[in-house]
Amino acid sequence: DAGITQSPRHKVTETGTPVTLRCHQTENHRYMYWYRQDPGHGLRLIHYSYGVKDTDKGEVSDGYSVSRSKTEDFLLTLESATSSQTSVYFCAIRRQGIENTEAFFGQGTRLTVV
Amino acid sequence: SQQGEEDPQALSIQEGENATMNCSYKTSINNLQWYRQNSGRGLVHLILIRSNEREKHSGRLRVTLDTSKKSSSLLITASRAADTASYFCATGDRGSTLGRLYFGRGTQLTVWP
Repeated sequence: DAGITQSPRHKVTETGTPVTLRCHQTENHRYMYWYRQDPGHGLRLIHYSYGVKDTDKGEVSDGYSVSRSKTEDFLLTLESATSSQTSVYFCAIRRQGIENTEAFFGQGTRLTVV
Repeated sequence: SQQGEEDPQALSIQEGENATMNCSYKTSINNLQWYRQNSGRGLVHLILIRSNEREKHSGRLRVTLDTSKKSSSLLITASRAADTASYFCATGDRGSTLGRLYFGRGTQLTVWP
């Protein structure tokens, strides 16, 4: 799957606990993204990164933080998980180009907050 | 938000029929992309159309773009049961190097044998 791996693939956690999802790429692409997918909402951008230590908020960033200390890893942290954060999370990567290039997606992480 | 919006939300057709999905977006773009998602999987890129193109073909896929109406359509000809999936359009910020990429809510296509 285009050199992108998400871990874990499934996780069940309790409300109030911290959770970190990892996205790892072997493509050396500049851009990395975290999306969440919920029924009726499609994919919503949580945070994205346009370089090492360069990140910015997306549409639904409240309750989430990210870090990118090296090109290949983009971490998404839920500081204190809530039931509303139960979702399927997708990481995507994209190389830099003169114009928007195609994105490659990981297989997703299904997170359940109980 | 610069999110694209697909229409219809759901489409159900018989094998052999054509399927048309539409996407509307809000701001200036340099290209628009269509993706497919099989149930429970990540999205897969299908086709990209640039802002200076009006139509593009790839196999059974035909994409049109009308920048004056800020809309695009994806036509799948001679549909097969294997085309059953969700289809999303995606747009980014024109002229920006930040690289944001926005997706719509998608169209769920079901093709019956």
